[in-house]
Amino acid sequence: DTAVSQTPKYLVTQMGNDKSIKCEQNLGHDTMYWYKQDSKKFLKIMFSYNNKELIINETVPNRFSPKSPDKAHLNLHINSLELGDSAVYFCASSQEALNTGELFFGEGSRLTVL
Amino acid sequence: AQSVTQPDIHITVSEGASLELRCNYSYGATPYLFWYVQSPGQGLQLLLKYFSGDTLVQGIKGFEAEFKRSQSSFNLRKPSVHWSDAAEYFCAVGRNDYKLSFGAGTTVTVRA
Repeated sequence: DTAVSQTPKYLVTQMGNDKSIKCEQNLGHDTMYWYKQDSKKFLKIMFSYNNKELIINETVPNRFSPKSPDKAHLNLHINSLELGDSAVYFCASSQEALNTGELFFGEGSRLTVL
Repeated sequence: AQSVTQPDIHITVSEGASLELRCNYSYGATPYLFWYVQSPGQGLQLLLKYFSGDTLVQGIKGFEAEFKRSQSSFNLRKPSVHWSDAAEYFCAVGRNDYKLSFGAGTTVTVRA
């Protein structure tokens, strides 16, 4: 019974396309996140939602748009994909605040843009 | 400015040997400190965390970490490494602006 699940796990697409990654958590947490892990394994937060409200929006191109239909789901839509968007995208959730609580991560979605 | 430094990019250790991973932070206040582990193809999992109190923290999988304020360090240790400990290890610092900064990670390879 996966706590934080993301789909798809792998995504290969052409430059200029639009794609979405979905995330669901069954932990009952109020807060969800999207992280980007680049080829050097550096992790950077992109967005955070608390009870469907956007609370963290880092310096991310506006081609990236998160959507939270309810507190158990946080999807990531990416328009006009670029080569530099190739990365592993991790969804995470927490019950407490980001800086003090434990993050529960999904297994990641590896996006390859050709 | 907030930063987390993991000086060792890659460490190779023999199975059964001890392991120590270094983490240094720069922060004006007492930080919240975390160690996460990422196994190949997996998401990150929390090993342990430090907020206050006893500076030696015990975590899962036999790991422990020690907070040393004078050295701005939070090093992770394990007395005897198992092959399943081969993974990427991330130190992280929680800030008062409610954000979390990750270090660049240390790759641990375990040889038989």
